[in-house]
Amino acid sequence: EVQLVESGGGLVQPGGSLRLSCAASGFTLSSYWMHWVRQAPGKGLVWVSRINSDGSSTGYADSVKGRFTISRDNARNTLYLEMNSLRGEDTAVYYCARGWVPQNWGQGTLVTVSS
Amino acid sequence: DIVMTQTPLSLSVTPGQPASISCKSSQSLLHSDGKTYLYWYLQKPGQPPQLLIYEFSNRFSGVPDRFSGSGSGTDFTLKISRVEAEDVGVYYCMQSIQLPLTFGGGTKVEIK
Repeated sequence: EVQLVESGGGLVQPGGSLRLSCAASGFTLSSYWMHWVRQAPGKGLVWVSRINSDGSSTGYADSVKGRFTISRDNARNTLYLEMNSLRGEDTAVYYCARGWVPQNWGQGTLVTVSS
Repeated sequence: DIVMTQTPLSLSVTPGQPASISCKSSQSLLHSDGKTYLYWYLQKPGQPPQLLIYEFSNRFSGVPDRFSGSGSGTDFTLKISRVEAEDVGVYYCMQSIQLPLTFGGGTKVEIK
């Protein structure tokens, strides 16, 4: 069974940093592109970032470019999102998702940026 | 960025009746490879989104055949032939023909 489990969310002050992790199981991570998608409380879905299967190609939403970095460790079956210079508008549930487009999704981890 | 516009914002449907959601994109989603990169998702209350339809008309694995996708170019429709109680939630369309991937604003479906 495909499982994606996000972790690393929490409360952080504006300007702070967090690293999210997404642990994959039930499939070989190295065979799949992966995404991060976020959802602010009560709002819709917003794509954040994508990484290809070997990590050689990445893409970002303009709103996070230069602040967020997506990466992966296929040997550890884990996807990451390094988030720096966090702002209030980054407050959201962050989902990782598997596939060239998001197919299978994790349950998400909540990031709250507030003083 | 490609703008995805969904209508209506919300829908209240009697069980067993059909429902239809429209999605319009600001640019054509037909790629030179012949594929149309439009997707439909359902986010049930308290759950992550689940993929329903890929490449505008193909049902994802395990999706009931009461769900169907149609359309072309910039205009697309998701139809539910007979709504069931388990179909409640927010439906989103999404395009993947170019980055950034963009979602519609969502259509909330409720049961009467």
